[in-house]
Amino acid sequence: EDQVTQSPEALRLQEGESSSLNCSYTVSGLRGLFWYRQDPGKGPEFLFTLYSAGEEKEKERLKATLTKKESFLHITAPKPEDSATYLCAVLIFGNEKLTFGTGTRLTIIP
Amino acid sequence: SQTIHQWPATLVQPVGSPLSLECTVEGTSNPNLYWYRQAAGRGLQLLFYSVGIGQISSEVPQNLSASRPQDRQFILSSKKLLLSDSGFYLCAWSNQQGARAFFGQGTRLTVV
Repeated sequence: EDQVTQSPEALRLQEGESSSLNCSYTVSGLRGLFWYRQDPGKGPEFLFTLYSAGEEKEKERLKATLTKKESFLHITAPKPEDSATYLCAVLIFGNEKLTFGTGTRLTIIP
Repeated sequence: SQTIHQWPATLVQPVGSPLSLECTVEGTSNPNLYWYRQAAGRGLQLLFYSVGIGQISSEVPQNLSASRPQDRQFILSSKKLLLSDSGFYLCAWSNQQGARAFFGQGTRLTVV
């Protein structure tokens, strides 16, 4: 069965303290891995798509990387406005299901 | 550019009443369409997805149904709501290549 697991569930960082969020997956034929940011009461906001192992994408203080088993979302020198829940999702070859992990709730303390 | 509209933003319904949530996409054709439910503090549970008009795949047995009467319209329905149907409902679309998927702003449903 295809599985997506995110860790940690929650992470509190001081402003400027860099860290990484993990998304591990067990799927048969990864078509794409997506990262989203979700603010309370809002729909998820698209951040990145990664397709193959070794690929990296960057946007401001965020960088996403992908291996054959997991993806990392690195956050460098975060600011309080980076506080949100970060979700990853996978799309599999052969079907169109977009399956999500449970998310990491990130809090940046000023 | 592509946009997705989902309404209403909030809804309070009594137990046993019907439900209809609508989602429309603009600026693209033949999108994949998805309905998700998110419980408080939890991840997104895929309810239904559709790869074309009239084609609905159900992921979880439940009190809900979905329909796609037009290419860019996706409707989530229930004949009789249960208390357990309360939650945050999200519609999403992706292109056929699966390069990215975009979400609506969600509907907060409270069944009382």
